[in-house]
Amino acid sequence: SQQGEEDPQALSIQEGENATMNCSYKTSINNLQWYRQNSGRGLVHLILIRSNEREKHSGRLRVTLDTSKKSSSLLITASRAADTASYFCATLGDGGATNKLIFGTGTLLAVQP
Amino acid sequence: DAGVIQSPRHEVTEMGQEVTLRCKPISGHNSLFWYRQTMMRGLELLIYFNNNVPIDDSGMPEDRFSAKMPNASFSTLKIQPSEPRDSAVYFCASSQDRWPEETQYFGPGTRLLVL
Repeated sequence: SQQGEEDPQALSIQEGENATMNCSYKTSINNLQWYRQNSGRGLVHLILIRSNEREKHSGRLRVTLDTSKKSSSLLITASRAADTASYFCATLGDGGATNKLIFGTGTLLAVQP
Repeated sequence: DAGVIQSPRHEVTEMGQEVTLRCKPISGHNSLFWYRQTMMRGLELLIYFNNNVPIDDSGMPEDRFSAKMPNASFSTLKIQPSEPRDSAVYFCASSQDRWPEETQYFGPGTRLLVL
């Protein structure tokens, strides 16, 4: 079953606005990662946040993690048309030395110029 | 660095035919993952290897699917016989052993259509 569920499924905003996507998961994690997928391409890693971190920044990206609620959010500030893509959260469980990431269902972001 | 290389990029075949997808991971990466992506089921992990050894194949749908990694620079995913419901985009990804903070690098995918 899917570990991560993203919300909303689709989001349409104007260039320059901020975009917020949420991810919920079910079991304890070691870390949570966000990936971007442009249409017809493979996924690209954006940012990783450890289970003992609450917030992390990378350029225009801000990720928060609330382990008590088993949720994370990805904020993209000052969005650009080039940010149009699907965004996926992925979790690494803390049950052992596994490399297995469980990906969520994704949020499709459309940034209108 | 060339990134993860997959071939072919597109494959159209008829039901019952054998399909072989190929992947070359990034040099120096010791974990390799095969995923399948469809609109209905999203991104599913099929199997992953660590140091050429299959670690978790619980996502392989059925016996028609098999995967091998004969050496650190090559892996195959084979479907025999293929069925229309196998139509999907198949991604290969690799990662360097920096557990637990490994990040995965994805190839461009193989778009498979089984008629």
